[in-house]
Amino acid sequence: AQKVTQAQTEISVVEKEDVTLDCVYETRDTTYYLFWYKQPPSGELVFLIRRNSFDEQNEISGRYSWNFQKSTSSFNFTITASQVVDSAVYFCALSENNAGNMLTFGGGTRLMVKP
Amino acid sequence: DTAVSQTPKYLVTQMGNDKSIKCEQNLGHDTMYWYKQDSKKFLKIMFSYNNKELIINETVPNRFSPKSPDKAHLNLHINSLELGDSAVYFCASSHLRQGEGDTQYFGPGTRLTVL
Repeated sequence: AQKVTQAQTEISVVEKEDVTLDCVYETRDTTYYLFWYKQPPSGELVFLIRRNSFDEQNEISGRYSWNFQKSTSSFNFTITASQVVDSAVYFCALSENNAGNMLTFGGGTRLMVKP
Repeated sequence: DTAVSQTPKYLVTQMGNDKSIKCEQNLGHDTMYWYKQDSKKFLKIMFSYNNKELIINETVPNRFSPKSPDKAHLNLHINSLELGDSAVYFCASSHLRQGEGDTQYFGPGTRLTVL
């Protein structure tokens, strides 16, 4: 069974601080995919990144960066110099190769960035 | 130019009624999904259709019946609504290529409130 854990339910930071959102996953598959989605207060789910299990390179996109470590089954997300607009619920998700592309989501981390 | 659209955005109804939520995607994807987000923000897959064929059916009461008239549409019909059905329902779509873990793109969600 696949499982995704986001241990931080809520994080509060002040604008311009860096913040890391943790994601730990469990799977027995050797081929799997990891995702992050953002859910702003308006409610939609916005795709941020997709990573496959064979690609452990870290990725940077502007102020966002992701650290994938298979050894610790983690796929952490860092926002550098946070802004108020980053305030949202962030979801980590996993899909296994033979599970019909079904996404299993973590419980989400609510990030509040205060001015 | 909306990619994945859902109607209605809000649905308020009485217990025992039957209601439908419509979903359409114009991304040319062959697979569509329904997810349920409960009051604690937890997201869980309900159904998945590939080329109008059901491929994922998680443990969902048979009061919920998805219908896919074509690849671009996946509607959700709910019979005999119960209080516990109150949630936000998200439609999503993706390609489904074996071994690719294709990214799912989500609609804006439908907030269902059962009174």
